[in-house]
Amino acid sequence: ETGVTQSPTHLIKTRGQQVTLRCSSQSGHNTVSWYQQALGQGPQFIFQYYREEENGRGNFPPRFSGLQFPNYSSELNVNALELDDSALYLCASSLGGTSGGSFKEQFFGPGTRLTVL
Amino acid sequence: AQSVTQLGSHVSVSEGALVLLRCNYSSSVPPYLFWYVQYPNQGLQLLLKYTTGATLVKGINGFEAEFKKSETSFHLTKPSAHMSDAAEYFCAVSWNTGNQFYFGTGTSLTVIP
Repeated sequence: ETGVTQSPTHLIKTRGQQVTLRCSSQSGHNTVSWYQQALGQGPQFIFQYYREEENGRGNFPPRFSGLQFPNYSSELNVNALELDDSALYLCASSLGGTSGGSFKEQFFGPGTRLTVL
Repeated sequence: AQSVTQLGSHVSVSEGALVLLRCNYSSSVPPYLFWYVQYPNQGLQLLLKYTTGATLVKGINGFEAEFKKSETSFHLTKPSAHMSDAAEYFCAVSWNTGNQFYFGTGTSLTVIP
């Protein structure tokens, strides 16, 4: 069973640029959630995708957008990068979205470290 | 607003001593509760979780936590600290069955030899 993978591992961009981060979910999982973890902070929920549609969003501006593909892998896109976007971006996969009434455990990838200069 | 509070951003214990990391949530509705560990330059690893059933939950690496509804707490303990326990620990909650997690700001655990 393959775990959650993310690419790239590290990335350096300049203010105003755009970036795309990628996540491959664990085998069999159809739900992907993205989190931003600033230095010294806990992860903050950005959004979740379930079966290729956005299924919940945290308090992030529209310049943070995402996609989920038919194979359930996902991308996080950030436009007009700001210095405060520098963070570790974590992807987590799970099975089933929010339906069914039972808890759906999330499995986290190792993250992508984004530095904005 | 619903939130998670971890008291103590840094905790130091001697090797072999009790580990106690505190977590409180603010909500009248009991959430699902989790503890994650993060080693340097790595992602999050689930230590243990409470969803339903017994309020004392045992996890990996000898950790356990007890859900106390009256205190809105989910403190993490380990009877005897090991050097390999040095890491960042995050408490997280969720109020639905698979959507977003709310994380605390983390507690950095140092184990002194």
